[in-house]
Amino acid sequence: AQSVTQLDSQVPVFEEAPVELRCNYSSSVSVYLFWYVQYPNQGLQLLLKYLSGSTLVESINGFEAEFNKSQTSFHLRKPSVHISDTAEYFCAVSSAYSGAGSYQLTFGKGTKLSVIP
Amino acid sequence: GAGVSQSPSNKVTEKGKDVELRCDPISGHTALYWYRQSLGQGLEFLIYFQGNSAPDKSGLPSDRFSAERTGGSVSTLTIQRTQQEDSAVYLCASSLSVGPRNTEAFFGQGTRLTVV
Repeated sequence: AQSVTQLDSQVPVFEEAPVELRCNYSSSVSVYLFWYVQYPNQGLQLLLKYLSGSTLVESINGFEAEFNKSQTSFHLRKPSVHISDTAEYFCAVSSAYSGAGSYQLTFGKGTKLSVIP
Repeated sequence: GAGVSQSPSNKVTEKGKDVELRCDPISGHTALYWYRQSLGQGLEFLIYFQGNSAPDKSGLPSDRFSAERTGGSVSTLTIQRTQQEDSAVYLCASSLSVGPRNTEAFFGQGTRLTVV
């Protein structure tokens, strides 16, 4: 079984400032890691994912996340945020092995990012 | 279709009534998932389908909840004798197939259920 902890429920940040949204996970097996974003009044969208290979993954809109196995973390960062980044961000994990439990995503409770003009 | 479609988008029902929530997945996606998003609780996995079969129903919160999928496409989540604690946003997602590398799930916009 896996679990995900997002330490901050809300993160206010000024426009053009950097931001880090924290995610830690717990699992007895290797995992795949995901960040999903939910803009106001919209459905969840995949932002980026780590499956294998380079531990640093990037999205098309400037976010990046680094998989740190020793710290069991997958923090999301952006060097300069925009108003349009205001949304709720969810970290999720799934088992990297086939079999029971590998089909589902386990989500954290989400972090609401509010970008202040 | 272009994306995962859910209906209705909003549903208000009286306590004790039955409700049906519908999900139309992306064409060609064999895997379909239901999640529940409660205020302050994050997303809770309910059930998944591979084709028309649901191998694991253990995520359903009670026996008042059931789901089916027909023709490998549309799925219906039914909640019988609704209770106020059932109020939540019910999300449906689909993916090409079930498996670790295929868990890139595409989500619908959800059905907001309010039980009064």
